[in-house]
Amino acid sequence: KAGVTQTPRYLIKTRGQQVTLSCSPISGHRSVSWYQQTPGQGLQFLFEYFSETQRNKGNFPGRFSGRQFSNSRSEMNVSTLELGDSALYLCASSPRGSDTEAFFGQGTRLTVV
Amino acid sequence: QKEVEQDPGPLSVPEGAIVSLNCTYSNSAFQYFMWYRQYSRKGPELLMYTYSSGNKEDGRFTAQVDKSSKYISLFIRDSQPSDSATYLCAMGSSGSARQLTFGSGTQLTVLP
Repeated sequence: KAGVTQTPRYLIKTRGQQVTLSCSPISGHRSVSWYQQTPGQGLQFLFEYFSETQRNKGNFPGRFSGRQFSNSRSEMNVSTLELGDSALYLCASSPRGSDTEAFFGQGTRLTVV
Repeated sequence: QKEVEQDPGPLSVPEGAIVSLNCTYSNSAFQYFMWYRQYSRKGPELLMYTYSSGNKEDGRFTAQVDKSSKYISLFIRDSQPSDSATYLCAMGSSGSARQLTFGSGTQLTVLP
């Protein structure tokens, strides 16, 4: 069974640009969550999608947004990039509800210069 | 005060040692708990998932949950150099959308 696939693996962007990251969950999984990981703040929850609906959102500015498609694939978008957005962005896939296991992808490492 | 506290280490042990990793939490709503292993520049790998108080064993790994004390542990028996990684605890609440709260991670090195 294929795992969680995130693309691209690495990105370098300039301040002020926008970026879109992609996540393909494990086949059959309907929940996709996004996390930001930095050395200073650790892993922080961004948002979660289930059946194309955003169910929950973390404490991040509106520049961070996402969506989920009917095949459960998800994208997240960051507009007007800031240097502080440099981080490893991780996607987690879960079978269904809130209390099931979460499986992570390898992440997208974003560097803002 | 953080919702989840985890000793960041670093922790260094000889090969074959028993390793104990711990997290404490303050939110009584947390009902399920996970341990992840993360190698450098990789995504977190799920090691253990537990929903109730008590022990759960999987190979060399044992997860322990004490909800009355708000304390969870991961034990690694017969540690190997390949166990060298950062270990993260994570927890979540039932009845709400998927949102995990993570500890800051413990960096473990197993010396050959």
